[in-house]
Amino acid sequence: ILNVEQSPQSLHVQEGDSTNFTCSFPSSNFYALHWYRWETAKSPEALFVMTLNGDEKKKGRISATLNTKEGYSYLYIKGSQPEDSATYLCAFETSGSRLTFGEGTQLTVNP
Amino acid sequence: NAGVMQNPRHLVRRRGQEARLRCSPMKGHSHVYWYRQLPEEGLKFMVYLQKENIIDESGMPKERFSAEFPKEGPSILRIQQVVRGDSAAYFCASSLGTRLEAFFGQGTRLTVV
Repeated sequence: ILNVEQSPQSLHVQEGDSTNFTCSFPSSNFYALHWYRWETAKSPEALFVMTLNGDEKKKGRISATLNTKEGYSYLYIKGSQPEDSATYLCAFETSGSRLTFGEGTQLTVNP
Repeated sequence: NAGVMQNPRHLVRRRGQEARLRCSPMKGHSHVYWYRQLPEEGLKFMVYLQKENIIDESGMPKERFSAEFPKEGPSILRIQQVVRGDSAAYFCASSLGTRLEAFFGQGTRLTVV
C-alpha cells in the first residue's frame, strides 16, 4: 500500500501571507509527483507534474519543489489571496499511471 | 476543446438497481482513469483504461463493478446491484499518457437510497 501524506491537514492564513505545505511519498518506484488544486463544487485542477529530483516549477504565485531521494515535495504560495482558498492535493504516480492521492491540505485565506 | 465530461452529475438509485456512469475524455486523450471519493475520504484509484483495454483495475471492488472504454463512445463505469456503501462521488480523468497532467471531470454523485 502506497502512503502519500500531506501536512498540515488544514491551514488558515491572512491575505498577503505566504504559506507552504508538504507532501511525503515513497522514495522508491518514483515516476512522477502531481499537484492539484480542488475548489469546492469544482473538479481537481492540475497545477504541476514533477518528474526529476530537484525539479522546481512555478505558475504565477504558486511554486513547487521536489526531492525524490528523500520523498517529499513542497508547495509554496506567495502573497495568498482569498481566491487561493481550496484543497491542495498531491498525487504520487508509479509506472502504470495510477495516481495515489494524499488527503489534501485545506487552505483558507481570510481577507 | 471541451474538458472531461461526466454524466449524469447526480444519480439516485434504489438498493439493488444498476448505476451507469459515463465519461467522455478530452479530445485526443486515450488514457482514462476512474476515482472514487467516499464520504469524508480522499480520492481513491479504481481503474485505468485505454481504448478497448483495461490496463489496471487493482482498485476496483471484485464484485458488481465493471468498467469499459470502447473504441467508439464514452467510458462507462457500471455498478450492479448497488448498495448504500456505493454512495460516493465518482470522478473520471483523462490524459495523453503517463507523467502528464490528468484532467478531471466534475464527477457523478451517486446516492443509493
